[in-house]
Amino acid sequence: DAMVIQNPRYQVTQFGKPVTLSCSQTLNHNVMYWYQQKSSQAPKLLFHYYDKDFNNEADTPDNFQSRRPNTSFCFLDIRSPGLGDAAMYLCATSREAVGTDTQYFGPGTRLTVL
Amino acid sequence: AQSVAQPEDQVNVAEGNPLTVKCTYSVSGNPYLFWYVQYPNRGLQFLLKYITGDNLVKGSYGFEAEFNKSQTSFHLKKPSALVSDSALYFCAVRDIATGFQKLVFGTGTRLLVSP
Repeated sequence: DAMVIQNPRYQVTQFGKPVTLSCSQTLNHNVMYWYQQKSSQAPKLLFHYYDKDFNNEADTPDNFQSRRPNTSFCFLDIRSPGLGDAAMYLCATSREAVGTDTQYFGPGTRLTVL
Repeated sequence: AQSVAQPEDQVNVAEGNPLTVKCTYSVSGNPYLFWYVQYPNRGLQFLLKYITGDNLVKGSYGFEAEFNKSQTSFHLKKPSALVSDSALYFCAVRDIATGFQKLVFGTGTRLLVSP
């Protein structure tokens, strides 16, 4: 089945220790997104890629970076995690970035910062 | 800016009874509306969307939603609730006012279905 895969499902890191979360997709979609979700709140968009074109949300901290080496993979790098970065991180994809397109989400990675 | 509101933090319903999860929207132009469900420690699963056409949209797992332009609402419904429907439900709208049409989510409604 075509899908969005996130690894690992659970990640524990230490305060200030860089961490990378991974997302892959078999849908061959052009757009990949990273969201942060805290405590059952609404997901907050951090950034997205349209193909290789990177787009940062204005309020995304510099501590968060992303890479998309090819169509299938996208990574979220947190350079120096703080306690406030503990959250569920959701990857999503869509074919295009237009109004009618559906975003499909992966299962998420729950990040714990000690 | 486009937005959606989910006025209820939680909805309680007994198994077998009909359920409604409310969503109202505020948009300029035509609304593109979505419903997602989230089970504990899982990602969001797409249920259904309204783009144009029939006001009653049928989706996954027996859910449907009714688009009402005059009331600017897009309520999620199911005729007979199951305990397994207990989850967090998000309504969302595409922000078509910007070049990149990002998804704007409501605050979520927790649905609890009791046996």
